[in-house]
Amino acid sequence: DGGITQSPKYLFRKEGQNVTLSCEQNLNHDAMYWYRQDPGQGLRLIYYSQIVNDFQKGDIAEGYSVSREKKESFPLTVTSAQKNPTAFYLCASSMLRLDRRTAYYGYTFGSGTRLTVV
Amino acid sequence: KQEVTQIPAALSVPEGENLVLNCSFTDSAIYNLQWFRQDPGKGLTSLLLIQSSQREQTSGRLNASLDKSSGRSTLYIAASQPGDSATYLCAVPTGANNLFFGTGTRLTVIP
Repeated sequence: DGGITQSPKYLFRKEGQNVTLSCEQNLNHDAMYWYRQDPGQGLRLIYYSQIVNDFQKGDIAEGYSVSREKKESFPLTVTSAQKNPTAFYLCASSMLRLDRRTAYYGYTFGSGTRLTVV
Repeated sequence: KQEVTQIPAALSVPEGENLVLNCSFTDSAIYNLQWFRQDPGKGLTSLLLIQSSQREQTSGRLNASLDKSSGRSTLYIAASQPGDSATYLCAVPTGANNLFFGTGTRLTVIP
């Protein structure tokens, strides 16, 4: 079955350490996204990519970095510059609308990674 | 900038009751609207996707409506069950294909 796989499910980061969250999809989707979810807040967009080797900052990109070397993969690195990284991180993917004749596609989400600073 | 609001923030109902969750958005120029379900500590599961040209979508006991002119969508759940207990999120895309999310409605169905 096609889907999105995020790993690990739980991740612990020490102060000053960089960590990388994995996101892999086998849906042949063009676009991939990273969201952060904090208690009592809505999901906030960190980065997104619509094509291989290209990505754009979202609303809260500071302290994060991404790469898109393959269509299937969109890893997120939480750097030491991110001062409050404890959160639930969600990866998503979607097809892109090609032209006005096609309907817009919905998003598919992974199961998330919970990152905690220790 | 698009703002998405969901009311109520939390809802408790007895099993078997029909219920309605509300979602409102400020910019009516949306391409579609998507309803998701999130169980505690889990990812998002897509429930229904309504294109801007549609007025409603149905899947089993779920029915979602869309009124672009008034900036509103509703998710109707018929004959609620304890397994329906979760947080329900609505989301609308921007022109850049990103999603704006509401903060969700936490539903508890009491057996």
